[in-house]
Amino acid sequence: QSALTQPASVSGSPGQSITISCTGTSSDVGGYNYVSWYQQHPGKAPKLMIYEVTNRPSGVSNRFSGSKSGNTASLTISGLQAEDEADYYCSSYTRTSTLVVFGGGTKLTVL
Amino acid sequence: EVQVVESGGGLVKPGGSLRLSCAASGFSFSTATMNWVRQAPGKGLEWVSSINRDGVYIYYADSVKGRFTISRDDAKNSLYLQMNSLRAEDTAVYYCARDSSKFAFDPWGQGTLVTVSS
Repeated sequence: QSALTQPASVSGSPGQSITISCTGTSSDVGGYNYVSWYQQHPGKAPKLMIYEVTNRPSGVSNRFSGSKSGNTASLTISGLQAEDEADYYCSSYTRTSTLVVFGGGTKLTVL
Repeated sequence: EVQVVESGGGLVKPGGSLRLSCAASGFSFSTATMNWVRQAPGKGLEWVSSINRDGVYIYYADSVKGRFTISRDDAKNSLYLQMNSLRAEDTAVYYCARDSSKFAFDPWGQGTLVTVSS
């Protein structure tokens, strides 16, 4: 069981917007603004999409945005495109003995 | 180009040892915090270990504490993971990743597969 909880799957049609949630506790997501999001296509390495809750690395489309409320962080993808179909993982710093925790991952299907 | 390249994976018997390497280029390795993250077949990501720029601060996941050792050689721009007392549940693709911001990992290497099986 992962430390952070994500829905197993979400889906949307091209052009639509979807949101993936990532729920933790006050020891991780809720206590620090160190939430990141990663995109992983099958057989490929993960790619950083969002860091420190809301920031996009250079080169990442502005269709990707992040937010946080309480113990839940969210990744929103607007204007869905076929190439967005992938697995998405959230992660957070945690003040427990483990430094970083990941969510279990969410499979995004573009219908 | 900023990149990291892992090597050293392979098939090892339970109880055996393996040493993974990660060669970094395109950035100031000596000032970077580096990490190992693994992914079991068909499963999610699991953070394994982290080492800061001067090797003073080292952290491990509970699942590998006491069995794995992370280290770095700044002269060679290289990160290592010594894995001892390997178990079947250590079977995974192991990724090397730079800490590009606070606990955000970028870039990632292509990964190296470790299979623990008799």
